[in-house]
Amino acid sequence: DGGITQSPKYLFRKEGQNVTLSCEQNLNHDAMYWYRQDPGQGLRLIYYSQIVNDFQKGDIAEGYSVSREKKESFPLTVTSAQKNPTAFYLCASSLSGAPYGYTFGSGTRLTVV
Amino acid sequence: QKEVEQNSGPLSVPEGAIASLNCTYSDRVSQSFFWYRQYSGKSPELIMSIYSNGDKEDGRFTAQLNKASQYVSLLIRDSQPSDSATYLCAVKSDSWGKFQFGAGTQVVVTP
Repeated sequence: DGGITQSPKYLFRKEGQNVTLSCEQNLNHDAMYWYRQDPGQGLRLIYYSQIVNDFQKGDIAEGYSVSREKKESFPLTVTSAQKNPTAFYLCASSLSGAPYGYTFGSGTRLTVV
Repeated sequence: QKEVEQNSGPLSVPEGAIASLNCTYSDRVSQSFFWYRQYSGKSPELIMSIYSNGDKEDGRFTAQLNKASQYVSLLIRDSQPSDSATYLCAVKSDSWGKFQFGAGTQVVVTP
């Protein structure tokens, strides 16, 4: 079955540490996205990518980095420069074009310890 | 700044009643509109999409769109306890796919 897989489900980060969240899809979707969700708040866009080897900053890119070396994969690195990284991180993918909705992964819950 | 606004709730609905959720958006060129359901601690799942003015029905769900008023709504008929969740309104303005999300409306269906 096609889908989008995020790992790990839970992640703990020490102060000053970089961590990488994995996102893989086998839906043959062109576009991939990373969102952050804080309690009681909506989804905020971190980075997005329309094609391989190209990505764009979203609304809250500071302290994060991404790569898109393969169509199927869009990993997110939370760097030590991100001062408040504790949140629920959601990866999504979609076909390009207006009529298409997102398919979301199951999310990664990141906690600073 | 493109914005999508929703009442945060919680919206308390008796079991079997109709839940009515509202969403307004600021970008007049918005093309596609989606409703997602998110259970606590889980990721959002798509329940409805609508692109043209009017109503679209799918089972117990009806989406309504009025582009002139920049307003989209979701009706849930015969509400069940399993409908208790946060409902996110999403608006797609870019031709290729970037969404703007509302903060969500929490629905609580009471037996």
